[in-house]
Amino acid sequence: DTGVSQDPRHKITKRGQNVTFRCDPISEHNRLYWYRQTLGQGPEFLTYFQNEAQLEKSRLLSDRFSAERPKGSFSTLEIQRTEQGDSAMYLCASSSDRYNEQFFGPGTRLTVL
Amino acid sequence: AQSVTQLGSHVSVSEGALVLLRCNYSSSVPPYLFWYVQYPNQGLQLLLKYTSAATLVKGINGFEAEFKKSETSFHLTKPSAHMSDAAEYFCAVSPNAGGTSYGKLTFGQGTILTVHP
Repeated sequence: DTGVSQDPRHKITKRGQNVTFRCDPISEHNRLYWYRQTLGQGPEFLTYFQNEAQLEKSRLLSDRFSAERPKGSFSTLEIQRTEQGDSAMYLCASSSDRYNEQFFGPGTRLTVL
Repeated sequence: AQSVTQLGSHVSVSEGALVLLRCNYSSSVPPYLFWYVQYPNQGLQLLLKYTSAATLVKGINGFEAEFKKSETSFHLTKPSAHMSDAAEYFCAVSPNAGGTSYGKLTFGQGTILTVHP
Protein backbone atom coordinates (compact mmCIF):
# COMPACT_ATOMS: atom_id res chain seq x y z
CA ASP A 1 0.00 0.00 0.00
CA THR A 2 1.53 3.29 -1.08
CA GLY A 3 -0.52 5.64 1.06
CA VAL A 4 -3.69 7.67 0.93
CA SER A 5 -4.96 8.34 -2.57
CA GLN A 6 -7.47 10.92 -3.76
CA ASP A 7 -9.32 11.24 -7.02
CA PRO A 8 -9.49 13.45 -8.97
CA ARG A 9 -6.43 15.59 -8.29
CA HIS A 10 -8.00 18.59 -9.97
CA LYS A 11 -11.62 19.51 -10.68
CA ILE A 12 -12.90 22.57 -12.48
CA THR A 13 -16.63 23.09 -12.42
CA LYS A 14 -19.21 25.77 -13.01
CA ARG A 15 -21.14 27.35 -10.19
CA GLY A 16 -24.25 25.38 -9.39
CA GLN A 17 -22.91 22.01 -10.47
CA ASN A 18 -22.45 19.02 -8.16
CA VAL A 19 -19.04 17.45 -7.61
CA THR A 20 -17.89 14.29 -5.87
CA PHE A 21 -14.42 13.46 -4.60
CA ARG A 22 -13.08 10.07 -3.57
CA CYS A 23 -10.53 9.14 -0.91
CA ASP A 24 -8.93 5.73 -0.47
CA PRO A 25 -7.22 5.48 2.92
CA ILE A 26 -4.34 3.24 3.94
CA SER A 27 -5.93 -0.19 4.04
CA GLU A 28 -5.56 -1.00 7.74
CA HIS A 29 -6.64 2.47 8.93
CA ASN A 30 -10.15 2.67 10.38
CA ARG A 31 -10.20 6.46 10.90
CA LEU A 32 -10.70 8.81 7.97
CA TYR A 33 -10.73 12.60 8.00
CA TRP A 34 -11.63 15.33 5.50
CA TYR A 35 -10.09 18.80 5.66
CA ARG A 36 -10.39 21.89 3.49
CA GLN A 37 -7.49 24.21 2.79
CA THR A 38 -7.81 27.62 1.18
CA LEU A 39 -4.92 29.65 -0.16
CA GLY A 40 -2.62 30.92 2.57
CA GLN A 41 -4.42 29.07 5.35
CA GLY A 42 -3.91 25.89 7.30
CA PRO A 43 -6.25 22.96 6.71
CA GLU A 44 -9.63 23.16 8.46
CA PHE A 45 -11.40 20.08 9.75
CA LEU A 46 -14.60 19.12 7.94
CA THR A 47 -15.60 15.66 9.12
CA TYR A 48 -14.35 12.38 10.54
CA PHE A 49 -15.27 8.70 10.26
CA GLN A 50 -14.44 5.80 12.46
CA ASN A 51 -15.07 2.79 10.26
CA GLU A 52 -18.39 3.61 8.54
CA ALA A 53 -19.70 5.87 11.30
CA GLN A 54 -19.50 9.63 10.79
CA LEU A 55 -18.64 10.81 14.30
CA GLU A 56 -18.14 14.53 13.93
CA LYS A 57 -18.99 17.27 11.45
CA SER A 58 -17.70 20.81 11.45
CA ARG A 59 -20.11 23.72 11.19
CA LEU A 60 -18.15 24.50 8.01
CA LEU A 61 -19.92 21.52 6.48
CA SER A 62 -23.13 23.14 5.28
CA ASP A 63 -26.11 21.11 4.13
CA ARG A 64 -24.70 21.25 0.59
CA PHE A 65 -21.86 19.00 1.73
CA SER A 66 -22.25 15.31 2.41
CA ALA A 67 -19.68 12.64 3.14
CA GLU A 68 -20.02 8.89 3.21
CA ARG A 69 -17.90 5.89 3.99
CA PRO A 70 -20.30 3.07 3.17
CA LYS A 71 -18.19 0.03 3.97
CA GLY A 72 -15.60 1.57 6.21
CA SER A 73 -13.06 1.65 3.40
CA PHE A 74 -13.08 4.46 0.81
CA SER A 75 -14.96 7.70 1.39
CA THR A 76 -16.69 10.20 -0.85
CA LEU A 77 -17.28 13.90 -0.31
CA GLU A 78 -20.04 15.46 -2.38
CA ILE A 79 -20.71 19.16 -2.78
CA GLN A 80 -24.06 20.10 -4.25
CA ARG A 81 -24.82 23.41 -5.99
CA THR A 82 -21.19 24.52 -5.84
CA GLU A 83 -20.37 28.14 -5.07
CA GLN A 84 -17.22 30.10 -5.83
CA GLY A 85 -16.41 30.07 -2.13
CA ASP A 86 -16.08 26.29 -2.30
CA SER A 87 -12.88 26.67 -4.33
CA ALA A 88 -10.16 25.10 -2.20
CA MET A 89 -7.94 22.07 -1.76
CA TYR A 90 -9.81 19.17 -0.19
CA LEU A 91 -7.52 16.91 1.81
CA CYS A 92 -8.19 13.43 3.09
CA ALA A 93 -6.22 11.74 5.86
CA SER A 94 -6.35 8.39 7.60
CA SER A 95 -5.05 6.93 10.83
CA SER A 96 -5.31 3.83 12.96
CA ASP A 97 -6.94 3.64 16.37
CA ARG A 98 -3.65 2.82 17.99
CA TYR A 99 -1.51 5.63 16.65
CA ASN A 100 -2.79 9.18 16.49
CA GLU A 101 -0.79 9.94 13.38
CA GLN A 102 -2.65 11.06 10.30
CA PHE A 103 -1.34 10.33 6.83
CA PHE A 104 -2.53 12.76 4.20
CA GLY A 105 -3.36 12.24 0.58
CA PRO A 106 -2.25 14.63 -2.17
CA GLY A 107 -5.56 16.48 -2.14
CA THR A 108 -8.19 17.42 -4.70
CA ARG A 109 -8.01 20.99 -5.90
CA LEU A 110 -11.48 22.34 -6.71
CA THR A 111 -11.98 25.45 -8.81
CA VAL A 112 -15.52 26.78 -9.15
CA LEU A 113 -15.97 29.22 -12.02
CA ALA B 1 -11.55 24.17 22.39
CA GLN B 2 -8.08 24.10 20.90
CA SER B 3 -6.14 26.59 18.80
CA VAL B 4 -2.67 27.09 17.36
CA THR B 5 -0.77 30.28 16.65
CA GLN B 6 2.26 30.26 14.40
CA LEU B 7 4.31 33.40 14.85
CA GLY B 8 5.60 34.65 11.52
CA SER B 9 3.92 33.74 8.27
CA HIS B 10 7.28 33.93 6.48
CA VAL B 11 10.75 33.02 7.73
CA SER B 12 13.87 33.45 5.64
CA VAL B 13 17.26 31.92 6.47
CA SER B 14 20.56 31.31 4.75
CA GLU B 15 21.66 27.83 3.87
CA GLY B 16 23.49 26.37 6.88
CA ALA B 17 21.81 28.71 9.37
CA LEU B 18 19.57 27.73 12.27
CA VAL B 19 15.89 27.26 11.49
CA LEU B 20 13.39 28.28 14.20
CA LEU B 21 9.66 28.15 13.51
CA ARG B 22 7.44 29.19 16.39
CA CYS B 23 4.21 27.55 17.51
CA ASN B 24 2.04 28.30 20.55
CA TYR B 25 -1.05 26.34 21.38
CA SER B 26 -4.14 26.67 23.51
CA SER B 27 -5.91 23.59 24.79
CA SER B 28 -8.35 22.83 27.60
CA VAL B 29 -7.15 19.22 27.70
CA PRO B 30 -3.65 17.73 27.48
CA PRO B 31 -2.73 17.93 23.84
CA TYR B 32 -0.93 15.96 21.22
CA LEU B 33 1.17 18.26 19.02
CA PHE B 34 2.42 17.83 15.47
CA TRP B 35 4.50 19.53 12.84
CA TYR B 36 3.70 18.90 9.18
CA VAL B 37 5.49 20.08 6.04
CA GLN B 38 3.76 20.84 2.74
CA TYR B 39 5.49 21.23 -0.60
CA PRO B 40 3.66 23.08 -3.41
CA ASN B 41 0.56 21.29 -4.70
CA GLN B 42 1.13 18.33 -2.42
CA GLY B 43 -0.46 16.92 0.71
CA LEU B 44 1.01 17.21 4.18
CA GLN B 45 3.88 15.08 5.45
CA LEU B 46 4.39 14.48 9.15
CA LEU B 47 7.73 15.76 10.46
CA LEU B 48 7.34 14.87 14.12
CA LYS B 49 4.81 14.47 16.92
CA TYR B 50 4.55 14.93 20.68
CA THR B 51 2.32 12.38 22.42
CA SER B 52 3.04 12.79 26.13
CA ALA B 53 6.35 10.95 26.14
CA ALA B 54 9.69 12.77 25.88
CA THR B 55 9.34 16.55 25.69
CA LEU B 56 12.16 16.82 23.13
CA VAL B 57 10.99 15.15 19.98
CA LYS B 58 13.18 14.29 17.02
CA GLY B 59 11.71 13.98 13.58
CA ILE B 60 12.69 13.41 10.00
CA ASN B 61 15.16 15.47 7.98
CA GLY B 62 17.04 16.67 11.08
CA PHE B 63 14.13 18.58 12.62
CA GLU B 64 13.26 18.54 16.29
CA ALA B 65 10.79 20.27 18.58
CA GLU B 66 10.49 20.78 22.32
CA PHE B 67 7.20 20.71 24.20
CA LYS B 68 7.18 23.38 26.92
CA LYS B 69 3.99 23.20 28.93
CA SER B 70 4.76 26.32 30.99
CA GLU B 71 5.09 28.34 27.79
CA THR B 72 2.40 26.43 25.84
CA SER B 73 4.92 26.22 23.02
CA PHE B 74 6.13 23.62 20.55
CA HIS B 75 8.76 25.37 18.45
CA LEU B 76 10.41 23.57 15.52
CA THR B 77 14.16 23.80 15.03
CA LYS B 78 16.86 22.52 12.72
CA PRO B 79 20.52 23.34 13.34
CA SER B 80 21.50 23.82 9.71
CA ALA B 81 19.07 24.71 6.92
CA HIS B 82 19.24 23.03 3.54
CA MET B 83 17.81 24.32 0.30
CA SER B 84 15.45 21.34 0.21
CA ASP B 85 13.85 22.55 3.49
CA ALA B 86 12.09 25.37 1.64
CA ALA B 87 8.38 24.64 2.06
CA GLU B 88 5.38 25.58 4.18
CA TYR B 89 5.25 24.24 7.73
CA PHE B 90 2.15 23.71 9.82
CA CYS B 91 1.84 23.18 13.54
CA ALA B 92 -1.23 21.24 14.68
CA VAL B 93 -2.89 20.17 17.93
CA SER B 94 -5.34 17.42 18.80
CA PRO B 95 -6.89 16.16 22.04
CA ASN B 96 -5.00 13.26 23.56
CA ALA B 97 -8.01 11.69 25.29
CA GLY B 98 -10.66 9.48 23.80
CA GLY B 99 -14.02 10.69 22.68
CA THR B 100 -15.44 11.81 19.38
CA SER B 101 -12.87 14.58 18.85
CA TYR B 102 -9.92 12.28 19.34
CA GLY B 103 -7.55 12.70 16.43
CA LYS B 104 -9.20 15.82 15.00
CA LEU B 105 -6.38 18.19 14.09
CA THR B 106 -6.53 21.96 14.50
CA PHE B 107 -3.86 23.64 12.38
CA GLY B 108 -2.06 26.93 12.58
CA GLN B 109 -1.99 29.22 9.56
CA GLY B 110 1.40 28.00 8.42
CA THR B 111 4.90 29.43 8.05
CA ILE B 112 6.59 29.62 4.69
CA LEU B 113 10.29 28.89 5.02
CA THR B 114 12.63 30.33 2.40
CA VAL B 115 16.26 29.21 2.29
CA HIS B 116 18.79 31.44 0.55
CA PRO B 117 22.04 30.08 -0.92
